[in-house]
Amino acid sequence: DQQVKQNSPSLSVQEGRISILNCDYTNSMFDYFLWYKKYPAEGPTFLISISSIKDKNEDGRFTVFLNKSAKHLSLHIVPSQPGDSAVYFCAASRRESFGNEKLTFGTGTRLTIIP
Amino acid sequence: EAQVTQNPRYLITVTGKKLTVTCSQNMNHEYMSWYRQDPGLGLRQIYYSMNVEVTDKGDVPEGYKVSRKEKRNFPLILESPSPNQTSLYFCASSLPYSGRDHNEQFFGPGTRLTVL
Repeated sequence: DQQVKQNSPSLSVQEGRISILNCDYTNSMFDYFLWYKKYPAEGPTFLISISSIKDKNEDGRFTVFLNKSAKHLSLHIVPSQPGDSAVYFCAASRRESFGNEKLTFGTGTRLTIIP
Repeated sequence: EAQVTQNPRYLITVTGKKLTVTCSQNMNHEYMSWYRQDPGLGLRQIYYSMNVEVTDKGDVPEGYKVSRKEKRNFPLILESPSPNQTSLYFCASSLPYSGRDHNEQFFGPGTRLTVL
């Protein structure tokens, strides 16, 4: 039962263009949605998040859009840079009892920026 | 430097030989958790700990144990490893739920475990 899905395992984008990474979810009880970035041989690092009560959050070159009716979110990176080449994980956060903030991850999308 | 460290980074072992993967954080975080990453499945939570001596199961706890005797350390124990526990393991830590906003989880660099 994959509650968070990233249907594109890989994506290649020309440097300077926009990268759009997509994520779908099934559980309407999620409180937050997050994007993590992962380089080889390193742990995931937090990139950007959005509350379930908002539809857009922007941080520099990164913007996350949330469409609750479609249960869909996307990460836009513009302009794309070679250092953006990494695996991007979409994650959804839900408060469980006793305060556990459980993250449910997608399977990841490998983004390659072509110089 | 604020960080989460894991040891070892790579381990090859045989079925049934007990092993421990250590995790330590220097950010005074109350919350710590363990995930495993497998192809096609993303990261799945194994165990988590809200504070010292407080631990609970995540989504895939079978075959694992944890302990939290000190705030900074959260070791993952495999009493009798099996080949289906071959995976990439990540430890993470964060501040506890504040009631208003989510808290960023900081991840360690990962431990790649192979059980033959």
